[in-house]
Amino acid sequence: AQRVTQPEKLLSVFKGAPVELKCNYSYSGSPELFWYVQYSRQRLQLLLRHISRESIKGFTADLNKGETSFHLKKPFAQEEDSAMYYCALSDGGYQKVTFGTGTKLQVIP
Amino acid sequence: EAGVTQFPSHSVIEKGQTVTLRCDPISGHDNLYWYRRVMGKEIKFLLHFVKESKQDESGMPNNRFLAERTGGTYSTLKVQPAELEDSGVYFCASSQSDTQYFGPGTRLTVL
Repeated sequence: AQRVTQPEKLLSVFKGAPVELKCNYSYSGSPELFWYVQYSRQRLQLLLRHISRESIKGFTADLNKGETSFHLKKPFAQEEDSAMYYCALSDGGYQKVTFGTGTKLQVIP
Repeated sequence: EAGVTQFPSHSVIEKGQTVTLRCDPISGHDNLYWYRRVMGKEIKFLLHFVKESKQDESGMPNNRFLAERTGGTYSTLKVQPAELEDSGVYFCASSQSDTQYFGPGTRLTVL
């Protein structure tokens, strides 16, 4: 069965400090990995996906198949990064998305 | 372009009552998904429509839940009769490619 684990419920960092949100997954095939973000009073939205290998709002995530991880990183946290972050995976294509429990990122001014 | 919309935004009902949630996907999106987040738990998949057909309903918890998408446009999710454990936030998402766009969710509270 596919599963996504986010070990931290809350991560507090100071503005300007590096951020790393951890995500591990279990899946028997080759999944697509995503990070979704939900800012306060806004809807869930896609932040980035591993196949794009892009940087969005300064965030990057590298898929490590050996460690089955997809950690989200940003070198310098900004106050506007405070939000709920969800790691997720899917079988690809139009398939359902399996989410982790989410990590609340709090950036302290 | 309007995003995915859901109605109502909040619903408070008593155990045993019936509630119907509605989702309007982005125009032209054939794929429509329902998800649910129960308090303290992860967001879980309920089902997936392709146009008016149920592609995958493996996440539906039991037969008290009925989803429809007549005409392949908007979708409804009915819970009848509602139980306490049905409380949570119900999300709808739609897609035309492999990126799902989420609605704001409906917060359901069963007392």
